[in-house]
Amino acid sequence: IVMTQSPATLSVSLGERATLSCRAGQSVSGKVAWYQHRPGQAPRLLIYATSTRATGVPARFSGGGSGTEFTLTINSLQSEDFAVYYCQQYDDWPQNTFGQGTKLEI
Amino acid sequence: EVQLVESGGGFVQPGGSLRLSCAASGFSFFNYAINWVRQAPGRGLEWVSVISGSGDSPYYTDSVRGRFTISRDNSRNTVYLHMTSLRVEDTAVYYCAKDPTSVGATYPDFWGQGTLVTVSS
Repeated sequence: IVMTQSPATLSVSLGERATLSCRAGQSVSGKVAWYQHRPGQAPRLLIYATSTRATGVPARFSGGGSGTEFTLTINSLQSEDFAVYYCQQYDDWPQNTFGQGTKLEI
Repeated sequence: EVQLVESGGGFVQPGGSLRLSCAASGFSFFNYAINWVRQAPGRGLEWVSVISGSGDSPYYTDSVRGRFTISRDNSRNTVYLHMTSLRVEDTAVYYCAKDPTSVGATYPDFWGQGTLVTVSS
């Protein structure tokens, strides 16, 4: 299943809201996760099952969507939030697939 | 604290072999599947392989099936990825990532820092 993220790059100011989009090539039954990846660091799980925050993830991160359209919203952007974000589907087991990423920059 | 530490990456010529290791700590290792996920230069993340907690159910992405073998030693809390017939397109940072289930290939909840594999002549 192809996961298509948009935009490729998103420029947002500190304190503002960012909305990242992810489209699945077919219905994925809500089995979508989001990851944050900072350069030189390990990827970090943010959201799974469309909207469930992983342990320790701040409430300013929220996920939504259904069917084939999903979003990750980050409110009140902080400096540490600027990174690359990936969506992933895990419905087509075990052949889970990631999107190509959205780079969030200041 | 969950920790995953990869090792074994390096430079290898096309057709060569390499074995990656992933040493885990901070959780009940045998209860969880472990995935390998890679990132080629300038590209996104790509799931490569997974092995169940018991070690009896390995799965692979199509491009590596028949060339890569995943295994685990639950007595050493370590997962291995034996890579053979390496191709230039296998060049990537390889991450091991803990699955929140015993079966695997869902949404990895902890990741290592990665180890770089470079395949070039």
